[in-house]
Amino acid sequence: DTGVSQNPRHKITKRGQNVTFRCDPISEHNRLYWYRQTLGQGPEFLTYFQNEAQLEKSRLLSDRFSAERPKGSFSTLEIQRTEQGDSAMYLCASSLDAGTDTQYFGPGTRLTVL
Amino acid sequence: GDSVTQMEGPVTLSEEACLTINCTYTATGYPSLFWYVQYPGEGLQLLLKATKADDKGSNKGFEATYRKETTSFHLEKGSVQVSDSAVYFCALTPNSGNTPLVFGKGTRLSVIA
Repeated sequence: DTGVSQNPRHKITKRGQNVTFRCDPISEHNRLYWYRQTLGQGPEFLTYFQNEAQLEKSRLLSDRFSAERPKGSFSTLEIQRTEQGDSAMYLCASSLDAGTDTQYFGPGTRLTVL
Repeated sequence: GDSVTQMEGPVTLSEEACLTINCTYTATGYPSLFWYVQYPGEGLQLLLKATKADDKGSNKGFEATYRKETTSFHLEKGSVQVSDSAVYFCALTPNSGNTPLVFGKGTRLSVIA
């Protein structure tokens, strides 16, 4: 068990550019979550998947954001036309689909939009 | 909607002091409650959890009891160490199921020798 991994760990981009982040969950975890954390705040839910199905999207997820999990394994989060307000830590977590099972978090991708 | 409120930080304690970080919640139904910890430079880790009223979660000397009557889940430790310095987050899943977490804002703890 290698844990949840996220790439890249850091991303610096200019306003208006598109960025894509990748999350690899723990093997056999069929639930995958994306959260966003800004400085001094707790993580806020963005969206989650069960296998390849996207089950819920937060109001925070504007139409510039899109997430996929095409084969029910890794997931990507894309932000189009980035804005300075998108600067944050993007966290991925995974869990087994079993009652109140624990969500295991990756190290996050820190995005800085200049 | 569902929410978590935890005490503002930062909290600074001397080694071996007692720790309490207050956490209260608002939720419909029967939430599960969690404490996560974020050590400097590391990702979020589950510290402890409780899934029903009166359950006590414990780990690494930390404890928290699910109090439905006061809608609270306060984190306690009898004797803190320098290595406990971290940010602590209280969180819930709204319907006692495998659903997205709702987090508090976090409390930064610094323990000095």
